[in-house]
Amino acid sequence: GAVVSQHPSRVICKSGTSVKIECRSLDFQATTMFWYRQFPKQSLMLMATSNEGSKATYEQGVEKDKFLINHASLTLSTLTVTSAHPEDSSFYICSAREARASDNEQFFGPGTRLTVL
Amino acid sequence: EDKVVQSPLSLVVHEGDTVTLNCSYEVTNFRSLLWYKQEKKAPTFLFMLTSSGIEKKSGRLSSILDKKELFSILNITATQTGDSAVYLCAANTGTASKLTFGTGTRLQVTL
Repeated sequence: GAVVSQHPSRVICKSGTSVKIECRSLDFQATTMFWYRQFPKQSLMLMATSNEGSKATYEQGVEKDKFLINHASLTLSTLTVTSAHPEDSSFYICSAREARASDNEQFFGPGTRLTVL
Repeated sequence: EDKVVQSPLSLVVHEGDTVTLNCSYEVTNFRSLLWYKQEKKAPTFLFMLTSSGIEKKSGRLSSILDKKELFSILNITATQTGDSAVYLCAANTGTASKLTFGTGTRLQVTL
């Protein structure tokens, strides 16, 4: 099946620093990638939808200047958490939709656990 | 606002028991209902349901959708300790194929 990787798998940073998370589709081309956030014992919340070559579409309540998304190629999307604060500590998961697949098909990455001290 | 609600929130059963997990949804532009299993990392896909009344099966797991009642169930028979996980349902909506997830049901299967 299609494989999506994320890097890093875990990151600990100081408050005020910026953190970049990468999401890669390893064996397929992804026209659309989705970024989710999951707080402990809560469900996945969609943050933004990222289409290759265009600006991301952010969900209500998600600050686009704080969570910068770049989808520069069909296999890579990045999420940068700028000026991170402890309340940004969460599990960030991306998913990717294959270019020619049915529109229901999304493949999830293994997630990145961010801890902001 | 799109909403997906799962029940129960958590469940503890003995190995061998049968469980039924519930998912109801209120969304616009519904396309399909998906079930995922989440252990320690990202969700793994179980089922995708688009039509009412057609049961999907995979081993001891099965699922069905009722589009009139806006409801789906996931059944697990003869549960095993390896079934312990959080089970998520998600509604796929709109042209962008957004997934709106429910809160999940945390299942624990004990010996």
